[in-house]
Amino acid sequence: DGGITQSPKYLFRKEGQNVTLSCEQNLNHDAMYWYRQDPGQGLRLIYYSQIVNDFQKGDIAEGYSVSREKKESFPLTVTSAQKNPTAFYLCASSIEGDTGELFFGEGSRLTVL
Amino acid sequence: GDSVTQMEGPVTLSEEAFLTINCTYTATGYPSLFWYVQYPGEGLQLLLKATKADDKGSNKGFEATYRKETTSFHLEKGSVQVSDSAVYFCALGNAGGTSYGKLTFGQGTILTVHP
Repeated sequence: DGGITQSPKYLFRKEGQNVTLSCEQNLNHDAMYWYRQDPGQGLRLIYYSQIVNDFQKGDIAEGYSVSREKKESFPLTVTSAQKNPTAFYLCASSIEGDTGELFFGEGSRLTVL
Repeated sequence: GDSVTQMEGPVTLSEEAFLTINCTYTATGYPSLFWYVQYPGEGLQLLLKATKADDKGSNKGFEATYRKETTSFHLEKGSVQVSDSAVYFCALGNAGGTSYGKLTFGQGTILTVHP
């Protein structure tokens, strides 16, 4: 079945540590995105990538980094510079040029201890 | 900048009740509008969309009409079921045609339907 796979589903991190969240898609979509979900705040865009080896900052990129070395993969690193990293992270993809239908993974919940 | 405002929840209804979740937006140009649904423990999935004024999106008994004059895209369903219990997000797509998924989301509305 085609879809988006995020891992791990749950992750605990100590303050000062970097952590990388995995996102893999087999939908052959060109564009991929990372969103952060906090209670009562909806979703906010962290980074997005329209093609391999290219990505752009979203609204809340500070403290995060990404790479796009393969079409299928778009990992997100939450660095120690992110001041409030505890959140639910959602990866999504879309067909380039499509007017907004995103396909989401099931999310990764990061908790900083 | 673009913004989306949804009615605050949570919303609690009995089965077969009528549902309305209000959504209003602020945007320049001609945005596309969307409703996404998130069932417990899952990611978001597209429920319906409308790409121009007066369009009506519909799916699974849900409907929403793109009202440019009132900048609204309210979600309605005539008779809700327990299985409709979820979080509903209104979203706006970047104006100018292709949005590349750069959506602006509302804060989400939690819906709980009791038997």
